Amino acid sequence: GENVEQHPSTLSVQEGDSAVIKCTYSDSASNYFPWYKQELGKGPQLIIDIRSNVGEKKDQRIAVTLNKTAKHFSLHITETQPEDSAVYFCAAPGTYKYIFGTGTRLKVLA
Amino acid sequence: DTAVSQTPKYLVTQMGNDKSIKCEQNLGHDTMYWYKQDSKKFLKIMFSYNNKELIINETVPNRFSPKSPDKAHLNLHINSLELGDSAVYFCASSQGVGGTGVEKLFFGSGTQLSVL
Repeated sequence: GENVEQHPSTLSVQEGDSAVIKCTYSDSASNYFPWYKQELGKGPQLIIDIRSNVGEKKDQRIAVTLNKTAKHFSLHITETQPEDSAVYFCAAPGTYKYIFGTGTRLKVLA
Repeated sequence: DTAVSQTPKYLVTQMGNDKSIKCEQNLGHDTMYWYKQDSKKFLKIMFSYNNKELIINETVPNRFSPKSPDKAHLNLHINSLELGDSAVYFCASSQGVGGTGVEKLFFGSGTQLSVL
């Protein structure tokens, strides 16, 4: 079946530290893995994505890694800042849709 | 310009009423969606339309009826509202059909529905 597990559900880090959020998917045919950031009162926004033919992708302070064998992918945020505080969602392709993980509430403590 | 806009942003109503939420996208996308986000922040797809044709109906009660007059608009009508319908409803769009390739989703800002 189509399933995406996401951990942890909440994460608190000190400003400047790194944060890592991990997701596991079930469909081995999945080939595209986006990450979305949802700020308070707003809709989710795509922040980074990765295709299955790549093991890692970076964009400034954020990076995503993919392990196809283990069927998991992770979001890494370095040098966290207060504005990184939000809910983060991973997603994986399902049949004509995207299946979202359960979300991680990240708090960056100043 | 807002890419995906939905109205209203807040909707407070009594049980049993009928209400509608409207969504419009100006990105020229072919596919539009309705997602429901509950109080625990879980995002669950409800419907998906591609070029005005329904392609996903995720076992949503038939009190929910989406309508797509053209590919830039996808409205959601809800009959006989129940307490459990309280949630945030997000409209989204993508260029192609989500899940079949590298299709980025663009979300609206959400409609917070409160049923009293």
